[in-house]
Amino acid sequence: NAGVTQTPKFRILKIGQSMTLQCTQDMNHNYMYWYRQDPGMGLKLIYYSVGAGITDKGEVPNGYNVSRSTTEDFPLRLELAAPSQTSVYFCASSGRGTESYNEQFFGPGTRLTVL
Amino acid sequence: DAKTTQPNSMESNEEEPVHLPCNHSTISGTDYIHWYRQLPSQGPEYVIHGLTSNVNNRMASLAIAEDRKSSTLILHRATLRDAAVYYCILSSGGSNYKLTFGKGTLLTVNP
Repeated sequence: NAGVTQTPKFRILKIGQSMTLQCTQDMNHNYMYWYRQDPGMGLKLIYYSVGAGITDKGEVPNGYNVSRSTTEDFPLRLELAAPSQTSVYFCASSGRGTESYNEQFFGPGTRLTVL
Repeated sequence: DAKTTQPNSMESNEEEPVHLPCNHSTISGTDYIHWYRQLPSQGPEYVIHGLTSNVNNRMASLAIAEDRKSSTLILHRATLRDAAVYYCILSSGGSNYKLTFGKGTLLTVNP
């Protein structure tokens, strides 16, 4: 299993540009998440999904959009990039069941800089 | 959401045990205690979780106080690869999948 994969690894955007961060998991997990991590800080939840077609806001959703059309993919969209969105973005997934959803598997991250 | 308090940093020597403390005095009865760690330039990695009883797995042990207001992650024999930021996280009973990360404890392991 590849686990959770994210593309791209790095990206520089200009203010006002748009982009989509891709996330794919091959573990047949129902739950998927997007986090951002600013320098020296912990991770903050942006959006999450409990299954295909179902998404919900996390702690810091403003400026982002998500969709979940398949179990495997959970892309994160930035419509109008701002310098405040400069961060490292992590995608994660977890299974479903009595205990299995407690372990989240993280991707390697996308480092985004907005200038 | 219930909050956790961890020391900013700790230091250990290689091959010695490490006890990482976490205080969570406002924990509720259905809150799970999770520990994740993040190695430099990597995504977080699950370590262990528990509810009331102590837990052991191949990576670590989790000791939970009887009143559940604190817990300790125990690495039995620290290696250089264990140098990381360790996060103690509580999740609400009905939303155990939603984790709120704090700043964690930066563990330095000396050779």
